[in-house]
Amino acid sequence: GENVEQHPSTLSVQEGDSAVIKCTYSDSASNYFPWYKQELGKRPQLIIDIRSNVGEKKDQRIAVTLNKTAKHFSLHITETQPEDSAVYFCAASAYQGAQKLVFGQGTRLTINP
Amino acid sequence: NAGVTQTPKFRVLKTGQSMTLLCAQDMNHEYMYWYRQDPGMGLRLIHYSVGEGTTAKGEVPDGYNVSRLKKQNFLLGLESAAPSQTSVYFCASSSGGTGMRETQYFGPGTRLLVL
Repeated sequence: GENVEQHPSTLSVQEGDSAVIKCTYSDSASNYFPWYKQELGKRPQLIIDIRSNVGEKKDQRIAVTLNKTAKHFSLHITETQPEDSAVYFCAASAYQGAQKLVFGQGTRLTINP
Repeated sequence: NAGVTQTPKFRVLKTGQSMTLLCAQDMNHEYMYWYRQDPGMGLRLIHYSVGEGTTAKGEVPDGYNVSRLKKQNFLLGLESAAPSQTSVYFCASSSGGTGMRETQYFGPGTRLLVL
């Protein structure tokens, strides 16, 4: 089955700097890669996703890149702000009658003012 | 439009007791999922359903049962709770299919403590 590894487990950056979180996956059939943000005590919320027919996707300060050959994808946050502090999860899945997401272990991002 | 809701928010059980967690969605979604989240780990899929009357096993199904008698509801049951089932349980739903219909929307979670 699919296995997703996420690094780093914790990341601390200065406000205004960029943050990068990386994930690798094992199943070459995976074709959907969402990123979720989870604030303390709250539910995970989708912030961006990418499908295997696209190499990069941007949404304002957030971007995701996908390298299918190397089986890795990354989340890039530019001009970080205090409200970006949270735990971020990557996930991967291959549609097989249902979108069974396999999540990474999470990255705790702290933005220092 | 409440989205995905979960009942209860928090529960304490003794080992061997049973309970049912309720997930409800008002988005007319076909697909529903149950995940558990443990400290230092990502979410893991327990069971899922692709439509009313259907259920299937996910990554960690042992010790849990589910039912989807109504399209809007997805129930997760613990027949005999064990301390290893102490976790935060999240329900999610999606339209189903591919493309934009893949996005999973999560409920607020149920925190379960088994003593």
